[in-house]
Amino acid sequence: GAVVSQHPSRVICKSGTSVKIECRSLDFQATTMFWYRQFPKQSLMLMATSNEGSKATYEQGVEKDKFLINHASLTLSTLTVTSAHPEDSSFYICSAPAGTGPEAFFGQGTRLTVV
Amino acid sequence: GNSVTQMEGPVTLSEEAFLTINCTYTATGYPSLFWYVQYPGEGLQLLLKATKADDKGSNKGFEATYRKETTSFHLEKGSVQVSDSAVYFCAPHKDSNYQLIWGAGTKLIIKP
Repeated sequence: GAVVSQHPSRVICKSGTSVKIECRSLDFQATTMFWYRQFPKQSLMLMATSNEGSKATYEQGVEKDKFLINHASLTLSTLTVTSAHPEDSSFYICSAPAGTGPEAFFGQGTRLTVV
Repeated sequence: GNSVTQMEGPVTLSEEAFLTINCTYTATGYPSLFWYVQYPGEGLQLLLKATKADDKGSNKGFEATYRKETTSFHLEKGSVQVSDSAVYFCAPHKDSNYQLIWGAGTKLIIKP
C-alpha cells in the first residue's frame, strides 16, 4: 500500500535552533498533507493543512511563524520548528489522504526534544 | 460538526481475554468511521474502517460494527495478545472536508 515516510524519527536540538521535519509520499502524489502534534497520553492535535503550491492553513492557536510549512512538490511537505524551545518538545506526525475520502496514510512520527 | 468520545484508558487485560473499547460519536450525516492503532514509538496505522451503517470492519482479529442507531463503533477482539498492546484511536470523518477528528486514544496493555 501507499507509504508516507517521515524523517527524522528522532531529533534533539538546543533551544533557539530550528529543526526541519520532512514528510514524503513514496508512491503516490499528495496535494494535501496534514501535520499533527501529539502530547503525552493525549490525542492528536491538528496543527495545519499543507497545500502543494500554496500557503498552509493553520488551525486556531497555532503560530504560523513558529511552525513553518512548505509543500513544494506533490510528494514532499516540510515542517520547520523555528527558534525551538523546550515546550515545543513533542511527537509530530504527518499524514496524507489516501484518496478522495477521509482515510489517510501516516508517517512514522518525529520525536522532537528541545534541550 | 462531528465529535467522538472514547473509552478512557489504560485498559489492562491478560492474554487471551476478550477486548472491547467503546467509541461513540456525534455526527451530521453519516460519517465514515475508522480505528487507528499506534504501537509504541511509532506513527499511526489504519486498523479498520466502516463507511456505512451496519458495515463491519475487520483486521488482525479486531472487529467494529457501524451502529447508526446507537452512534457507536466499538472495537472488539475475541482473544488479545501481548503484541496488541498499543494506543487505539477512534476517528470519524469530519464533515466539512476529508479530515479526521480524533478520540483521545485508549491505551491497551496486555499482560502475559
